[in-house]
Amino acid sequence: NAGVTQTPKFRVLKTGQSMTLLCAQDMNHEYMYWYRQDPGMGLRLIHYSVGEGTTAKGEVPDGYNVSRLKKQNFLLGLESAAPSQTSVYFCASSSPGHPLADTQYFGPGTRLTVL
Amino acid sequence: AQSVAQPEDQVNVAEGNPLTVKCTYSVSGNPYLFWYVQYPNRGLQFLLKYITGDNLVKGSYGFEAEFNKSQTSFHLKKPSALVSDSALYFCAVRDMNTGGFKTIFGAGTRLFVKA
Repeated sequence: NAGVTQTPKFRVLKTGQSMTLLCAQDMNHEYMYWYRQDPGMGLRLIHYSVGEGTTAKGEVPDGYNVSRLKKQNFLLGLESAAPSQTSVYFCASSSPGHPLADTQYFGPGTRLTVL
Repeated sequence: AQSVAQPEDQVNVAEGNPLTVKCTYSVSGNPYLFWYVQYPNRGLQFLLKYITGDNLVKGSYGFEAEFNKSQTSFHLKKPSALVSDSALYFCAVRDMNTGGFKTIFGAGTRLFVKA
């Protein structure tokens, strides 16, 4: 049971390049989330999904797109990276049917630098 | 709007002394409150939560939190700090206005425990 995994762990992009971050969970959770963490600002929600095939915007969605084609995977895409997207990105999952229904389980993070 | 505030960027305590990490919240309706901990280069880990019931909530690693409705606070406490408790601590509130799918995180408080 790996929990929540994220790939890659680190990435350096040039302005304008695109990339996709992959999140995978093996806990059969319904809900998945993408956050970014910036110093002094805590975690801010980018996009989230309440089930396979559904996604919704969070607090800071601009410049990002997501897809949830399979229940266990949640992809975060940057179409044209900007220096303002330099951050640490965390994926999380949770399930309404879980005993700790409101608890989120986090991946180890992806550190992205945009030059 | 629902929000959570952590008034201290950093808390320093000596090993063996009691520690308190402060959190205040603003919500409409009943609050769903959480504490998470983040160790260096890791994702967030759940510590404890308050949904309803006893105002004193016990969690992982000997931590507890006291819910105070009149002061709208949810301070994290531990009777005797360990050096290994040094980490970044986040208070969070579930945003029930959006169906409970979103969690709003505070900016975080860094705890340093000196030997």
